[in-house]
Amino acid sequence: GAGVSQSPRYKVAKRGQDVALRCDPISGHVSLFWYQQALGQGPEFLTYFQNEAQLDKSGLPSDRFFAERPEGSVSTLKIQRTQQEDSAVYLCASLQRRGGTGELFFGEGSRLTVL
Amino acid sequence: LAKTTQPISMDSYEGQEVNITCSHNNIATNDYITWYQQFPSQGPRFIIQGYKTKVTNEVASLFIPADRKSSTLSLPRVSLSDTAVYYCLVGDGWSSASKIIFGSGTRLSIRP
Repeated sequence: GAGVSQSPRYKVAKRGQDVALRCDPISGHVSLFWYQQALGQGPEFLTYFQNEAQLDKSGLPSDRFFAERPEGSVSTLKIQRTQQEDSAVYLCASLQRRGGTGELFFGEGSRLTVL
Repeated sequence: LAKTTQPISMDSYEGQEVNITCSHNNIATNDYITWYQQFPSQGPRFIIQGYKTKVTNEVASLFIPADRKSSTLSLPRVSLSDTAVYYCLVGDGWSSASKIIFGSGTRLSIRP
């Protein structure tokens, strides 16, 4: 597609439910990032992939958070047994490299509300 | 990773030039400086990127002094639509396998 696509845009979950958030990056972009953004805060790094390899998952808040990108394109962020503190916007971005620099292209995000 | 410091918020008026300064005292040799803009309910959007001196595009200018310990994003003749949060990022994650970190950003409000 023309840009990074995320779904669903909005998700309401009851505490304890599992959720899955999908990211469809720009075709051909090797690197993919997930961020969590709480209201009024900057995006917080969660994890990133290079192709299908998850190279850094140091930002995942707990073992309830799991991300995968099995074929090196679409990625899914899964949150198990959701808690109220998981309520946030989850942003996905893919990276276009240009020599020694690059540009992150973001999706519109998935807003998760845990009741 | 170089830590960045920028003002929490700024106010200005339509038609004015706005300069937002970011401090990054621990910037490394390979680090680039990048600015992103974020509107409510949208993901951040790339504005400008530079390594040293001055970079200009159709949206903004980026001034980087010789010591590279700070940088200034300059928005000429702002309009109401420039009201947004602006993030300064410093790192070399663009070419190497490393994470890209955002700070808290500067909330810019433009008034009529």
